[in-house]
Amino acid sequence: KAGVTQTPRYLIKTRGQQVTLSCSPISGHRSVSWYQQTPGQGLQFLFEYFSETQRNKGNFPGRFSGRQFSNSRSEMNVSTLELGDSALYLCASSPPGQGRDEQYFGPGTRLTVT
Amino acid sequence: AQSVTQLGSHVSVSEGALVLLRCNYSSSVPPYLFWYVQYPNQGLQLLLKYTSAATLVKGINGFEAEFKKSETSFHLTKPSAHMSDAAEYFCAVTPGVINAGKSTFGDGTTLTVKP
Repeated sequence: KAGVTQTPRYLIKTRGQQVTLSCSPISGHRSVSWYQQTPGQGLQFLFEYFSETQRNKGNFPGRFSGRQFSNSRSEMNVSTLELGDSALYLCASSPPGQGRDEQYFGPGTRLTVT
Repeated sequence: AQSVTQLGSHVSVSEGALVLLRCNYSSSVPPYLFWYVQYPNQGLQLLLKYTSAATLVKGINGFEAEFKKSETSFHLTKPSAHMSDAAEYFCAVTPGVINAGKSTFGDGTTLTVKP
């Protein structure tokens, strides 16, 4: 099976712009989570989607949003970018049934805001 | 509420030596505990997990971890370090299966393996 894929891998944006990141989970996985990883704050949970519904949400401002499509692919959007949004954004998917407690991570999208 | 503390942001061992990476957790409900490894410019890979079955858990690449409830610890060990083990390691806690996607991660421990 193909792993979790994230596009694009690298992105450079300017303050005030918005950005959309994409995540394709492993085939058959219905849960998708997003994390932000920075040297200063480490790995922080953004949100989780399951069957097109947001199931959990972390403590991020409303500028961060996401959605999930019927094929389980997910996107996250960040509006009005700030310098502090520069980070590696990781997506993870989880299988249904046994093993649903495991997360499989993609390689991440490295966002640089200038 | 849940939290994870990884003791030591950097650990250095010689090739062939014992690897010990420390993790202590706090959870208001019985926890699910995980160790992940991250190589440069890559995502996280699951090494092993504890989900209330056996307290000694074996994972990939020769790693294992022991859940000690009395000490609220879940330390990661490997008897003999290999150069390829050099990476960053993360301990994570999840409050049960339903919230598998809402994991809390430690700050990470960078493992250096000296030849």
